[in-house]
Amino acid sequence: EVQLVESGGGLVQPGGSLRLSCAASGFTFSIYAMNWVRQAPGKGLEWVSAISGSGGNTYYADSVKGRFTISRDNSKNTLYLQMNSLRAEDTAVYHCAKVRGPAAVDYWGQGTLVTVSA
Amino acid sequence: DIQMTQSPSSLSASVGDRVTITCRASQGISSWLAWYQQKPEKAPKSLIYDASSLQSGVPSRFSGSGSGTDFTLTISSLQPEDFATYYCQQYNSYPLTFGGGTKVEIK
Repeated sequence: EVQLVESGGGLVQPGGSLRLSCAASGFTFSIYAMNWVRQAPGKGLEWVSAISGSGGNTYYADSVKGRFTISRDNSKNTLYLQMNSLRAEDTAVYHCAKVRGPAAVDYWGQGTLVTVSA
Repeated sequence: DIQMTQSPSSLSASVGDRVTITCRASQGISSWLAWYQQKPEKAPKSLIYDASSLQSGVPSRFSGSGSGTDFTLTISSLQPEDFATYYCQQYNSYPLTFGGGTKVEIK
């Protein structure tokens, strides 16, 4: 059974940093691309970032480019999102998501809440 | 960036109704489109990929069609557990983009 469990969310001040983790199990982690997708309170889904199975290719939404860094440790079956220079508009539930085929998601984690507020 | 426009943004329907949601891309995306279902306070659930392929375990009352710029998600006979918000997403090119969502409510 595929499981994705996010952690690392919390309350942070504007300008601060946070690192999210996503522990994956139930599949061969290293061969699948992974995404981060967020959802602000009461809003729709927003794609944040993606990384290839090897970690060699990364992609970012314009809204986070230069501030967020996606990475993975295939030896630990873990996906990361390093978030720097956080803004109020980054407040959201952050989901990690496993990708099948080109880039469609087939499994989602439950998410971790990040709140950026003074 | 490719913009995804869903319509309607919300709809009211009864159990047993046939429901159709549309998604339009601002440029051609071949069949690189997925549909997701989300219930309140829950993670999204994947329904359809490659415009018309059903994810494993998804009931056959869900179907997807379309290619290029125009796509539809159809629920052939709405069930109580189908009341939720539905999102389309294109993965033809980065940045990946979602539609704004369609909320399906009970009439």
